[in-house]
Parts: sequence; structure tokens; C-alpha cells
Amino acid sequence: GAGVSQSPSNKVTEKGKDVELRCDPISGHTALYWYRQSLGQGLEFLIYFQGNSAPDKSGLPSDRFSAERTGGSVSTLTIQRTQQEDSAVYLCASSSLAGGFYEQYFGPGTRLTVT
Amino acid sequence: GENVEQHPSTLSVQEGDSAVIKCTYSDSASNYFPWYKQELGKGPQLIIDIRSNVGEKKDQRIAVTLNKTAKHFSLHITETQPEDSAVYFCAAPNQAGTALIFGKGTTLSVSS
Repeated sequence: GAGVSQSPSNKVTEKGKDVELRCDPISGHTALYWYRQSLGQGLEFLIYFQGNSAPDKSGLPSDRFSAERTGGSVSTLTIQRTQQEDSAVYLCASSSLAGGFYEQYFGPGTRLTVT
Repeated sequence: GENVEQHPSTLSVQEGDSAVIKCTYSDSASNYFPWYKQELGKGPQLIIDIRSNVGEKKDQRIAVTLNKTAKHFSLHITETQPEDSAVYFCAAPNQAGTALIFGKGTTLSVSS
């Protein structure tokens, strides 16, 4: 079946601009996660959505970052007033309670470059 | 605090040899330990995982072992092939149970 999809695959933006990154989880998966992967680094947790519960935003690095998940499916990560240190690959993952809460399946990522 | 440490950061082996990557974790309540393989330009792919009620799990050429007392777990790849070359990440759940904490990755290179 279809996996997690993300768009765009690449985004180049100027410092100070806002960007929106989109994630389409696996159909039926109730949990959705955003992570950030900087060059040569591991994955850093950003935000977690589970059903209708309040999201866990504890990983967001600043108030310039926000995310929403509409209708329990598609999610959008927004970065306002981008800075060069925001350059990274942004990865989205989803999981199903039925499959095991922690079995997270990742999308291909969006590579963000801030110039 | 929560932490996952992974070693080595790079590993080079000859085709056919075995490769072992080790991780330690800090939260003794952790009960789920996945391993991901990431190829260049792609997202991480779940290759094997283990839960705290077992000590070892195998899937063809890969296996994961868990030592809860010592709080470490390892990935074992036997009969390595060039297509095993990738970055491998271990992970464990955060205390809130809302995300995975990842190790910094091991770059495995298999030469033929």
C-alpha cells in the first residue's frame, strides 16, 4: 500500500520567508510525528499528534515553528521567518495503534535550504 | 534525562563479514527498541525491532539482542552485502511515550 508521502521533496527559501511542509500519513494511522534531521546528525523530535488529543509540542525549537493536523489525516509544518539554522531534512512519520504504538513509518522527507 | 548512545559512528567491513552496532539507553522503563536503515536521500526504514519481554529477535540475516539489566541493545548483520551499506539508527521511546529518541547513527560500508 501507499506509504507516508511528503511535499515538496526540496524547498529553497530566502532567510526571513515563511515555509509550509506537508505530510500525508499512511491511511488509517492515527499517530503522526515530525522530526528534523540536520546534516550528519540523528533525528530530533519536533511534534506528535494522536487522534483528537492535544499534540505534544515539546520538541519545537522556537515559536517560529508550528504544526497542525486537519481532519486527523494530513499535517502541515509551518516555519515562520526562516533562519539559516532551520536548514535540514524534515521527516514525517505515522503509526497505527493496531500495529504497535511505536512502529513508526517514515516518509522520504523534505530537504529545506534557507539561503 | 533521556538519552540513546550509539557506537561506532562508522564501520567498514568486507562483504560476507558480520557487522555489530551497539546502543545504550538511559530510561530503564523503555520497552521498545527499533532499528532503522537510511539510504542516501531517503527516509529511515524500519528493519527490525524488539520489545522488552524478549532477549533476541532474528529476521534472516539481521538480529537484535537486548540486555535490559545493562540497558543496551545491539544490531547484528551476518553475511553482509554491498546493499547493506547505509546509515543505521537505533532508537528508544521518550518517557512521555510520544516520540522516539534516536542515536546519532552508524555509517556502515560493505566493500566487495
